Amino acid sequence: QKEVEQNSGPLSVPEGAIASLNCTYSDRVSQSFFWYRQYSGKSPELIMSIYSNGDKEDGRFTAQLNKASQYVSLLIRDSQPSDSATYLCAVKGGGADGLTFGKGTHLIIQP
Amino acid sequence: EPEVTQTPSHQVTQMGQEVILRCVPISNHLYFYWYRQILGQKVEFLVSFYNNEISEKSEIFDDQFSVERPDGSNFTLKIRSTKLEDSAMYFCASWPSGGVSSYNEQFFGPGTRLTVL
Repeated sequence: QKEVEQNSGPLSVPEGAIASLNCTYSDRVSQSFFWYRQYSGKSPELIMSIYSNGDKEDGRFTAQLNKASQYVSLLIRDSQPSDSATYLCAVKGGGADGLTFGKGTHLIIQP
Repeated sequence: EPEVTQTPSHQVTQMGQEVILRCVPISNHLYFYWYRQILGQKVEFLVSFYNNEISEKSEIFDDQFSVERPDGSNFTLKIRSTKLEDSAMYFCASWPSGGVSSYNEQFFGPGTRLTVL
């Protein structure tokens, strides 16, 4: 059974600070790792993807992957109120596998 | 920018009725997926579809569910006899890869909210 674990939060961060979101996964053969943002009642929106160990930066977002520890994280720098949402960690195996999602972390950016 | 579309945005049905949820994936994508999200819960994989057949399905995707690509553009999810617990958001997603690479992201449609009364 593939599992993806996230702290459900809420995680409250002051505007302008760094928000740090974490995720662990159970399936060691997972190959692809994604962070999606979901606003209430809306569909998941892809924020970052990462496939190899280390850091990947895109604007204010940095994804970090450590396959040995089965750990994925997302850092959001200079947090804005518009970043307030639920952040979903998703993991995928090879080929056309479906995504396995965590329950998501509810992030609140305080103005 | 190409996007996945879904219709209807909201479907209300009586328990025991059949529903068909429709999706138009991004045109050059080859793999199609259905996910569901019960209110307050995580997004769950239902089924993947490639080359006019099911590629993978989860335990949730039992005999009351079926998928079809009736023409070159639409991808449908049918629930044969709806139950109260089928009430959820249903998301369609598509994936562009024509090979075995995992290194492509799945793009989600806006979802259909299904309410079973």
